[in-house]
Amino acid sequence: GGIITQTPKFLIGQEGQKLTLKCQQNFNHDTMYWYRQDSGKGLRLIYYSITENDLQKGDLSEGYDASREKKSSFSLTVTSAQKNEMAVFLCASSPRGQDTQYFGPGTRLLVL
Amino acid sequence: TQTVSQSDAHVTVFEGDSVELRCNYSYGGSIYLSWYIQHHGRGLQFLLKYYSGNPVVQGVNGFEAEFSKSDSSFHLRKASVHWSDSAVYFCAVSDSGYNKLTFGKGTVLLVSP
Repeated sequence: GGIITQTPKFLIGQEGQKLTLKCQQNFNHDTMYWYRQDSGKGLRLIYYSITENDLQKGDLSEGYDASREKKSSFSLTVTSAQKNEMAVFLCASSPRGQDTQYFGPGTRLLVL
Repeated sequence: TQTVSQSDAHVTVFEGDSVELRCNYSYGGSIYLSWYIQHHGRGLQFLLKYYSGNPVVQGVNGFEAEFSKSDSSFHLRKASVHWSDSAVYFCAVSDSGYNKLTFGKGTVLLVSP
């Protein structure tokens, strides 16, 4: 078995601030993902990475940067937080060639 | 481009009832379909998947789903629900080799004791 850890669990930011969310997995999975979850809108893919140092844009990449410096970690940066923004950011991973994804518990973002 | 539609935003049943959560998709090629569950304050957990073969697939905790190509559906069912099944359920579809999933908006299942 394995686990996905997301830090921080809660993140409160100010408008215009640059905010970084971190994700670690010990499954030894190749592919990692960042999703944004808004109430009533399901999950939307922000970025994904099929291997170390690879980055692929998802449907919602504008306003975000990502970094995959090593296989086990995948970071997401909100480049300029929007006022009153509130969402959950979910990190996931999957083995190469398999579609089943394993999710972390999420980071809850609130921008004041 | 594939899409996923979950027509019911909320479903409420009593403990011991059967339940069906609906999922319809639009895509013409080979397709991978799955269901995930999300308990309050947690990440998503994989329930079951279909790629080929027997259209009825079994998952964890008594859940099953049936694929129908003619109806473009992959509905999730459980014969007798427990209060702990209260959660949000997401249907997902994928057709790519890079494991990209497209998720529906989710159905909130509330099981009353």
